[in-house]
Amino acid sequence: GAGVSQSPSNKVTEKGKDVELRCDPISGHTALYWYRQSLGQGLEFLIYFQGNSAPDKSGLPSDRFSAERTGGSVSTLTIQRTQQEDSAVYLCASSSSGTRGEKLFFGSGTQLSVL
Amino acid sequence: AQSVTQLDSHVSVSEGTPVLLRCNYSSSYSPSLFWYVQHPNKGLQLLLKYTSAATLVKGINGFEAEFKKSETSFHLTKPSAHMSDAAEYFCVVSDQRNFNKFYFGSGTKLNVKP
Repeated sequence: GAGVSQSPSNKVTEKGKDVELRCDPISGHTALYWYRQSLGQGLEFLIYFQGNSAPDKSGLPSDRFSAERTGGSVSTLTIQRTQQEDSAVYLCASSSSGTRGEKLFFGSGTQLSVL
Repeated sequence: AQSVTQLDSHVSVSEGTPVLLRCNYSSSYSPSLFWYVQHPNKGLQLLLKYTSAATLVKGINGFEAEFKKSETSFHLTKPSAHMSDAAEYFCVVSDQRNFNKFYFGSGTKLNVKP
C-alpha cells in the first residue's frame, strides 16, 4: 500500500476483555515496530520484527501483551485481559531493511480506551 | 544505555520568529539522532537525521539541527516559524550497537501565534 495502515483507528473495550490491533506495513518493508504512546509521554518501544529473525520482545510490559507477524507482512498486537493502564495510542512503524539510521514510516495509530 | 531529554514540553513562538526546540541525549556508543514531527491526527514523519557525517543536518520545511558531541545536544532550529509548523516534535536516539532500538523523547508541542 501507499503507507502503513493500522486498524481499527479507535477501540473502546471493557476491562478484562482481549483486544487485537492490526498493522499492515508498506509492501516490501522487512522491519516492523510497535510503540505505545501514552498521554504526555514519549513513544515506548514494545516489539520489533526483522524479516524471519526472532522478534525483539524486550519492550513488552507484561505477558498479557503478545504480537505476531504472519508471512513477513501483516502484524497483530494482542492484549489479553485489558487493564485501564493499557489505554494509549498504539503506533506501528515499518522500515525497508532495518539498517542503521533508516527512516521509520509510521501509521496513524490505534487509540485504545479501556473502561 | 540510551535516553533522550526534551527540555521543553511546550514552546510558543510568533509567526516569522526563530524556532528552537532543545534535545539532549545519552548514548554509550556512536549515536544516530532523529527529529520526527507529528501533526494533529497524522502519523509521525521524519524531519531530519544525523548518523555520522556532517554535524549540521538540514531537513524538510527549512528545519535544521546541529549535533554537538561535547554538549550531547541535537537542538532543532528554524529561522522563521510558519503557522503550519504547529505540531509536536520528538527527538529520537539510537546507537551503533543497537540501531534498531529507537528511544523517543517525551515531545515538545510547538505553538505558532499569528
